[in-house]
Amino acid sequence: EIVMTQSPATLSVSPGERATLSCRASQSVSSNLAWYQQKPGQAPRLLIYGASTRATGIPARFSGSGSGTDFTLTISSLQSEDFAIYYCQQYNNWPPWTFGQGTKVEIK
Amino acid sequence: QVQLQESGPGLVKPSETLSLTCTVSGGSISSNYWSWIRQPPGKGLEWIGYIYYSGSTSQNPSLKSRVTMSIDKSKNQFSLKLTSVTAADTAIYYCAGHFRLNWFDSWGQGTLVTVSS
Repeated sequence: EIVMTQSPATLSVSPGERATLSCRASQSVSSNLAWYQQKPGQAPRLLIYGASTRATGIPARFSGSGSGTDFTLTISSLQSEDFAIYYCQQYNNWPPWTFGQGTKVEIK
Repeated sequence: QVQLQESGPGLVKPSETLSLTCTVSGGSISSNYWSWIRQPPGKGLEWIGYIYYSGSTSQNPSLKSRVTMSIDKSKNQFSLKLTSVTAADTAIYYCAGHFRLNWFDSWGQGTLVTVSS
């Protein structure tokens, strides 16, 4: 099973600032990585797939990069609606598909 | 995009079987893969398994011996059964749809299942 490790666990950012979230895989997953956003009481929402392709309707301030074992999700200018928990998920080796433990982006 | 809605008991006794159903609307169940994913309160996401419209399935090895999934194309529904539950199975259970064996495109709102006597 591939273990996904996200850092930091919590990121405190002021509105308008840039947020950089990391996700590391225990072995290479090529570019087979997705990012999700989850707000309190809601289901996760797909943001990014293929490590860097935004899903339909996702604003351009969200961008993904990386390949192999190290990946980054960047939110260029945080809006109030972006404060949430973000998860990465690998789909290179399965079963099982695996998720990171999440990074909470909170208001500084 | 399809809409998904989970349904089932919110409380299950230890050692009994958890049973949930997901109803798909706004699209055909015969075009996607359908997964179950769970999230213990305050924790991360765990993929449980998927079923294809043909009836083929795949499960998380950590749960495989306790998981059964089925699909009812006439009702546009698919279902999950998890046997011999314990408190560790307390979680929000989501159903999700995906076009291919990769990321999860659409999600239900989730349903909290508590295992307690």
